[in-house]
Amino acid sequence: SQTIHQWPATLVQPVGSPLSLECTVEGTSNPNLYWYRQAAGRGLQLLFYSVGIGQISSEVPQNLSASRPQDRQFILSSKKLLLSDSGFYLCACGQIQETQYFGPGTRLLVL
Amino acid sequence: AQSVTQPDIHITVSEGASLELRCNYSYGATPYLFWYVQSPGQGLQLLLKYFSGDTLVQGIKGFEAEFKRSQSSFNLRKPSVHWSDAAEYFCAVGSSNDYKLSFGAGTTVTVRA
Repeated sequence: SQTIHQWPATLVQPVGSPLSLECTVEGTSNPNLYWYRQAAGRGLQLLFYSVGIGQISSEVPQNLSASRPQDRQFILSSKKLLLSDSGFYLCACGQIQETQYFGPGTRLLVL
Repeated sequence: AQSVTQPDIHITVSEGASLELRCNYSYGATPYLFWYVQSPGQGLQLLLKYFSGDTLVQGIKGFEAEFKRSQSSFNLRKPSVHWSDAAEYFCAVGSSNDYKLSFGAGTTVTVRA
């Protein structure tokens, strides 16, 4: 079964600073990869998904971007963080017609 | 487009009592349905899923859910709640031709002694 790693677990960043969150997956090949954001007390918002290396689909316009440099690596980035970027970021993997499995998440606080 | 509604934002239940969480979905064809649980500060853990077949699905931790096509529902149940079941529960819907899942807003369950 697949294992999803996310780091860092917690991050405190000033407004205007850059961001890089990493997600790596073990135990599967050619997975679909997803980035979700969960604001405090809110549900999950899909930010990006990828069906292959270099293939990124954006769901919500924002100042975040995603990249998939390797089959099992998915990176969430920003050049300049906003206060509204604070939240809990979850990486997930899955295949079409199958279950999505989630990583442990990264809590981001932008001050 | 598919969507999910979880009508109950917060439910409080006594330990040992039964629990039912409601989930209604909107989708034109046969959906794939999921229930996930999230403990504070953690990722989401899959409780159970329905793709096809028997409409009563058994999951982990003693949970079950029933798919009712006529009511567009996939309610989650547990006969006897434990204090460790206090968490947030998310219902999600997917399809055979889409990479994405649509999640409900979640239901927070509080268990009182």
